[in-house]
Amino acid sequence: DTEVTQTPKHLVMGMTNKKSLKCEQHMGHRAMYWYKQKAKKPPELMFVYSYEKLSINESVPSRFSPECPNSSLLNLHLHALQPEDSALYLCASSQETGRDEQFFGPGTRLTVL
Amino acid sequence: AQRVTQPEKLLSVFKGAPVELKCNYSYSGSPELFWYVQYSRQRLQLLLRHISRESIKGFTADLNKGETSFHLKKPFAQEEDSAMYYCALSGAGGSNYKLTFGKGTLLTVNP
Repeated sequence: DTEVTQTPKHLVMGMTNKKSLKCEQHMGHRAMYWYKQKAKKPPELMFVYSYEKLSINESVPSRFSPECPNSSLLNLHLHALQPEDSALYLCASSQETGRDEQFFGPGTRLTVL
Repeated sequence: AQRVTQPEKLLSVFKGAPVELKCNYSYSGSPELFWYVQYSRQRLQLLLRHISRESIKGFTADLNKGETSFHLKKPFAQEEDSAMYYCALSGAGGSNYKLTFGKGTLLTVNP
C-alpha cells in the first residue's frame, strides 16, 4: 500500500461540535504531518509527528488537537471550531522528518457552520 | 527564515510551446528544493527534487545557488501539464526541515 488515506472526505460541523479527522499510511513512514489548505493557497503546516511524538506545532490554536496512536495512524481532533477554520485538511507522511519526499493524502474538506 | 517566491500566479501557454515556472528562494544554509504538482481533483504529489537530478514528465529544474533559483522547465508543453505547481524548500536541522511552499503557479496549456 503506497498511499496515504484520509477519512472522512467531507465534514460539516457546527461550532459546538466535536469531530475527528483520521489519516492512515502503511508505508512504514515514521514522520506524519497535518496541513491546512485554503482555496487557491499553498498548504500551511500545522503539526509534525516524528516517531509518534509531536515535534512541531506551528502555533496552532488549541481547538485543534493532534494525536498519533501508532506509527500508521494520525488523528486531528476538532472542538469549538470557527467558520474561518473551514478548509481542506491534508495529511502527509515521509520516511523520516528532514528532507524526504512527503506523500500527501487526498484531504478532508471541512466546513464549519 | 526560509522563504519561497513564485512570482507568477497564473501562466498560460499553447501546446508545444516551451514553459518555465519561476521559483526563487531565501535560505542561508544548504536547502533541499522540490516541485510539487496538484492536478485537478488529484492529491498533491512530488514532481521532482533537485537532489535526484531526474527529468520527470519532461520537466527539469536546476538549482542555481548564485541566483537562489530553482526554475521548472519543459521544452514542449502538453495539455495534461495543466495544473497548480508549487515550489517548496526544506532547510536543514531542527525545525528548519519543515517544508515551506511558495504561493503556487497555475499553469494552463491551451490546445
